[in-house]
Amino acid sequence: KNEVEQSPQNLTAQEGEFITINCSYSVGISALHWLQQHPGGGIVSLFMLSSGKKKHGRLIATINIQEKHSSLHITASHPRDSAVYICAVERRDSNYQLIWGAGTKLIIKP
Amino acid sequence: KAGVTQTPRYLIKTRGQQVTLSCSPISGHRSVSWYQQTPGQGLQFLFEYFSETQRNKGNFPGRFSGRQFSNSRSEMNVSTLELGDSALYLCASSLGYYQETQYFGPGTRLLVL
Repeated sequence: KNEVEQSPQNLTAQEGEFITINCSYSVGISALHWLQQHPGGGIVSLFMLSSGKKKHGRLIATINIQEKHSSLHITASHPRDSAVYICAVERRDSNYQLIWGAGTKLIIKP
Repeated sequence: KAGVTQTPRYLIKTRGQQVTLSCSPISGHRSVSWYQQTPGQGLQFLFEYFSETQRNKGNFPGRFSGRQFSNSRSEMNVSTLELGDSALYLCASSLGYYQETQYFGPGTRLLVL
């Protein structure tokens, strides 16, 4: 079993829909990252969380440390949100080594 | 197949010095990307090399440079080190095509004193 699991693996939605991507992990962590990879581009860090909730524009990330679960939400989705979204965790006491999820490929249709 | 390897794994330098980090991609991969990970800033994209050419570049000062060799191995150089350059530097390789999965190395932990 992978230490970081993302769901769904693939998601196709219509423009304007509310999107939720989930991430579950099985190790103790010091922080969790949500990252975005656009086609042909590098990976961009969206959020780094250690507790609670963060919001940036139409993106919201939440984390529940007790349940070892995080969600990334996109409100009023737009075709430019189409990308691969990756969850990665910093294992506690691991000198910042990241454990990566497999990613969720999101396609937003106009 | 061997994974992405990075050397050295740990490095301590002083301000003003320069450093060169090395990344060997998975055999057959032509794209190598470099990232900086810091506790406060998260993961930030430095640059990507494909077939010995810089194809993408992040928003870092000119002190950060890189190159790629004909065997796809890549080096990253940071000149005139600053305390804020202390970070984990990650290298990732891929075949280099559209939305191809990147495979990350273990990173080089750089500490600038």
